[in-house]
Amino acid sequence: KQEVTQIPAALSVPEGENLVLNCSFTDSAIYNLQWFRQDPGKGLTSLLLIQSSQREQTSGRLNASLDKSSGRSTLYIAASQPGDSATYLCAVRPKTSYDKVIFGPGTSLSVIP
Amino acid sequence: DGGITQSPKYLFRKEGQNVTLSCEQNLNHDAMYWYRQDPGQGLRLIYYSQIVNDFQKGDIAEGYSVSREKKESFPLTVTSAQKNPTAFYLCASSMGQGVRETQYFGPGTRLLVL
Repeated sequence: KQEVTQIPAALSVPEGENLVLNCSFTDSAIYNLQWFRQDPGKGLTSLLLIQSSQREQTSGRLNASLDKSSGRSTLYIAASQPGDSATYLCAVRPKTSYDKVIFGPGTSLSVIP
Repeated sequence: DGGITQSPKYLFRKEGQNVTLSCEQNLNHDAMYWYRQDPGQGLRLIYYSQIVNDFQKGDIAEGYSVSREKKESFPLTVTSAQKNPTAFYLCASSMGQGVRETQYFGPGTRLLVL
């Protein structure tokens, strides 16, 4: 059964630092992995989608990598800003159950001015 | 503006009452989903629909029901059989196929029990 974990559960960094968020999954048979941002009391906003054949995707200050063989993905945020404070969730779409995307519990990020 | 709307933002349920959460999308997406989010946990799938007039149970369907009479609409009913309904409910739709399929989310409805 596919399981997705995210460590740490919470992270606090000073403004301007580069940081890495981690996502691990137990079954490498996936179609894709998606990173989302969630602000308190709001819905999820899609940040990046990495297809199973890709190693990384970039959007602005964000870079996401995927290593299927080790079951890991990282989200790199460069030059963090207070506006980056939110919860970041990763989700995988398994090949064994296409319609059932599996979400991690999220990492709560605080960027301190 | 294209997007997904959910209403109401907050909903209060009394004991023994059924309540319905609305989800509408104008993105022309075929697939729609309902998730439940509890504090400190990832999203859990309640129901999903790949096409009009068809829907499937997710991992935690007990105590919930849905309908998909129109492509744009996928309402969720929380029945009195759901004993612990207090949660944040998120509706999503998706586009693309296979490796490119991407999910988009609405703003959510918070359900509270009186």
